[in-house]
Amino acid sequence: EAGVAQSPRYKIIEKRQSVAFWCNPISGHATLYWYQQILGQGPKLLIQFQNNGVVDDSQLPKDRFSAERLKGVDSTLKIQPAKLEDSAVYLCASSQTGVREREQVKNIQYFGAGTRLSVL
Amino acid sequence: LAKTTQPISMDSYEGQEVNITCSHNNIATNDYITWYQQFPSQGPRFIIQGYKTKVTNEVASLFIPADRKSSTLSLPRVSLSDTAVYYCLVGPFYGSSNTGKLIFGQGTTLQVKP
Repeated sequence: EAGVAQSPRYKIIEKRQSVAFWCNPISGHATLYWYQQILGQGPKLLIQFQNNGVVDDSQLPKDRFSAERLKGVDSTLKIQPAKLEDSAVYLCASSQTGVREREQVKNIQYFGAGTRLSVL
Repeated sequence: LAKTTQPISMDSYEGQEVNITCSHNNIATNDYITWYQQFPSQGPRFIIQGYKTKVTNEVASLFIPADRKSSTLSLPRVSLSDTAVYYCLVGPFYGSSNTGKLIFGQGTTLQVKP
């Protein structure tokens, strides 16, 4: 089974430029997440999609960040304009919806390798 | 929101059992506890998930007391390759309810020494 694919792996831009990241989740996974991970910290959820609808985007800085998941499959995350504090690894994850196993419902997230963004 | 607290770092030696405890005092009724492992330059990888009591798989065990306000990840006989950051994640299961945030803890950096 192919994992979560992300591109590019690395990106260096100057502040005030724009950048876009792409994610292709595991086939059949209805839920897709974008996380921001600043060096030395745990991942922070930016946005969560269920199919092509947004479940939670409360921590997405909407003045500069946007995300879409057209057709409920792959997704793009955009930053415009970028700031120095946006330097981080951007992780994409996907999960199935309510996989029931032995009377327990699991929600396991599978992560891509991430895109490391450096804003100069 | 169910916030989690973990030790920042732990040291161990090869062959020892390692227990990492996560505190989640405000866990909600439909929240599950999940642990992830992360190596440098990689995304987190699922280790184990549980709701109550004890869960065991081929790599770890998860102990959850009756009040569910904490959980302990147990790694038996660690090796050098277990050196990584371990995250405790508390959040709702999917199904009839998907409200609430998914929050990663600070992470515990485990250093396994020879």
